[in-house]
Amino acid sequence: SAVISQKPSRDICQRGTSLTIQCQVDSQVTMMFWYRQQPGQSLTLIATANQGSEATYESGFVIDKFPISRPNLTFSTLTVSNMSPEDSSIYLCSVDLQGSYEQYFGPGTRLTVT
Amino acid sequence: AQRVTQPEKLLSVFKGAPVELKCNYSYSGSPELFWYVQYSRQRLQLLLRHISRESIKGFTADLNKGETSFHLKKPFAQEEDSAMYYCALVSNYQLIWGAGTKLIIKP
Repeated sequence: SAVISQKPSRDICQRGTSLTIQCQVDSQVTMMFWYRQQPGQSLTLIATANQGSEATYESGFVIDKFPISRPNLTFSTLTVSNMSPEDSSIYLCSVDLQGSYEQYFGPGTRLTVT
Repeated sequence: AQRVTQPEKLLSVFKGAPVELKCNYSYSGSPELFWYVQYSRQRLQLLLRHISRESIKGFTADLNKGETSFHLKKPFAQEEDSAMYYCALVSNYQLIWGAGTKLIIKP
């Protein structure tokens, strides 16, 4: 397994502002994923972030709204831009350690937009 | 299209009773399936995957290709099993997630 941390753990932001969420892994991984999860609901994949290539976004998510950086094999950031109350959610990062399709998750970032 | 269906949003059983969390999938090819669990105020974690054929915390899940199901079972529920359970299917190097089932174990 791996130790995955996220910062911040939670934040309350005003609409129109941006928040950058950090995801740090204690080992080198190729594949990282960013998800959104409404409380008590399932996960929605935002994008796949592989080191050395541009992030691949899922339908309904665009780079201008959710820019992602992946500068190395242990770190990634997701920015939620120009936030609206509809962006209030839990944001999760996960990693696939060995290309085995098993994903390990960070603790999540709880975002509230007022 | 690939899809994972968990028909029950909520399942409530008494402690000591058997538990079955249903998962059906739609996939062309040989599926690879997982069960994940999220306990209250904890992160999402892998419970088991079908190829390992392990029993984790007393839970088992058998892949039934004929019925396209991967139900999660435990013969005797414990209060600490109360959690949110998600079934997930591998597709194009990603996981497709079911909607989840909230399991409540009543004392």
